[in-house]
Amino acid sequence: NAGVTQTPKFQVLKTGQSMTLQCAQDMNHEYMSWYRQDPGMGLRLIHYSVGAGITDQGEVPNGYNVSRSTTEDFPLRLLSAAPSQTSVYFCASSWTSGTNPQETQYFGPGTRLLVL
Amino acid sequence: QKEVEQDPGPLSVPEGAIVSLNCTYSNSAFQYFMWYRQYSRKGPELLMYTYSSGNKEDGRFTAQVDKSSKYISLFIRDSQPSDSATYLCAMSRIYNQGGKLIFGQGTELSVKP
Repeated sequence: NAGVTQTPKFQVLKTGQSMTLQCAQDMNHEYMSWYRQDPGMGLRLIHYSVGAGITDQGEVPNGYNVSRSTTEDFPLRLLSAAPSQTSVYFCASSWTSGTNPQETQYFGPGTRLLVL
Repeated sequence: QKEVEQDPGPLSVPEGAIVSLNCTYSNSAFQYFMWYRQYSRKGPELLMYTYSSGNKEDGRFTAQVDKSSKYISLFIRDSQPSDSATYLCAMSRIYNQGGKLIFGQGTELSVKP
């Protein structure tokens, strides 16, 4: 299994440009999330999904869109990039069972985004 | 005020030392508590999780939760240079909440040989 994969690894955008950060997992996990990590702020939840076709907002959703058409993929779209969206973005997935809560998430390697 | 507070460090210790990492939180509804380790330029990886109050041990790592004080700790015994990383505490209010975690800021740990 490749686990959680993210592309691109690094991206530079100009203010106002749009782009999509890709996230895929091959573990058949039901739950997927997007976080951003900023210095001194820890990780903050942007959007999450509990299954294909179901998404919801996290702590900092403004400026981002998501959709989940398949179990495997959970892309994050930046509609009109702003310098405040300069960050490292992590995608995570998880599943639940009798002994494993959803919160035991598997994280991808991250995408570093710089908005000029 | 942030829901979860964690001293960002950096914390530097000699090899073999016992390391204590801590988080405090303000929301008494938190029930599940996790510790993640993050190496430089990598994604976080789960170290341990605990439910409600109590201790949990896994090898050199011990997680403690004191809900009455709203305080959680991670102890690392016989610390190794390979333990050098950022340690993030995380919490959630309800079991199976779709991956909605609240993270602390992370503590950067350096273990010197």
